[in-house]
Amino acid sequence: QLHLQESGPGLVKPSETLSLTCTVSGGSISSNNYYWGWIRQPPGKGLEWIGNIYYSGTTYYNPSLKSRVTISVDTSKNQFSLKVYSVTAADTAVYYCARRDYDSLTRAYFFDYWGQGTLVTVSS
Amino acid sequence: DIQMTQSPSSLSASVGDRVTITCRASQSISSYLNWYQQQPGKAPKLLIYGASTLQSGVPSRFSGSGSGTDFTLTISSLQPEDFATYYCQQSYDTPRTFGQGTKLEIK
Repeated sequence: QLHLQESGPGLVKPSETLSLTCTVSGGSISSNNYYWGWIRQPPGKGLEWIGNIYYSGTTYYNPSLKSRVTISVDTSKNQFSLKVYSVTAADTAVYYCARRDYDSLTRAYFFDYWGQGTLVTVSS
Repeated sequence: DIQMTQSPSSLSASVGDRVTITCRASQSISSYLNWYQQQPGKAPKLLIYGASTLQSGVPSRFSGSGSGTDFTLTISSLQPEDFATYYCQQSYDTPRTFGQGTKLEIK
């Protein structure tokens, strides 16, 4: 059974960098079929897609965050990571990592496995 | 960006009721529409992808339909564990976008 686990500081100061890592177990991050993504959810609000990465390093970002975000992958550790630069209170959210799968029959893309999420608060 | 609008934003229903949630896209997204269920304090769970394909392990009382801009999620007979927030998400274009959510509460 695939398992994803987010880790990183729960408190970040304004203007600093938020750094999170997602560790994947029960499967290889280097599989040809999957992308790996980050999604966030401010307290009491909806879901916002941040970006996806392939094991080769190919990335896709939400244009609204692209100038402040980097997603990277470390296949040797079966991990991928998120950095958000110059954070403000608006970046306070639960951050989820997830696997993005593709179904060739329906040609659908979807997030089928999610981590439990980690709350990151931006505050001095 | 493609805007996803769900209705209603909240809904009260009873165990055994049939419930329908609607999701409308700001432009045609063919059938590239997914539905997720989120329990309080938990990660979203995939219910339906490709507008109508049930994810493995999801009870058959959940069904999805629609194409183009209008989609529905139907729960045929509500069970206690179905009271949660539901989100639609389009995978037609980047950025991937979600609806604002529909909170299903016990009447």
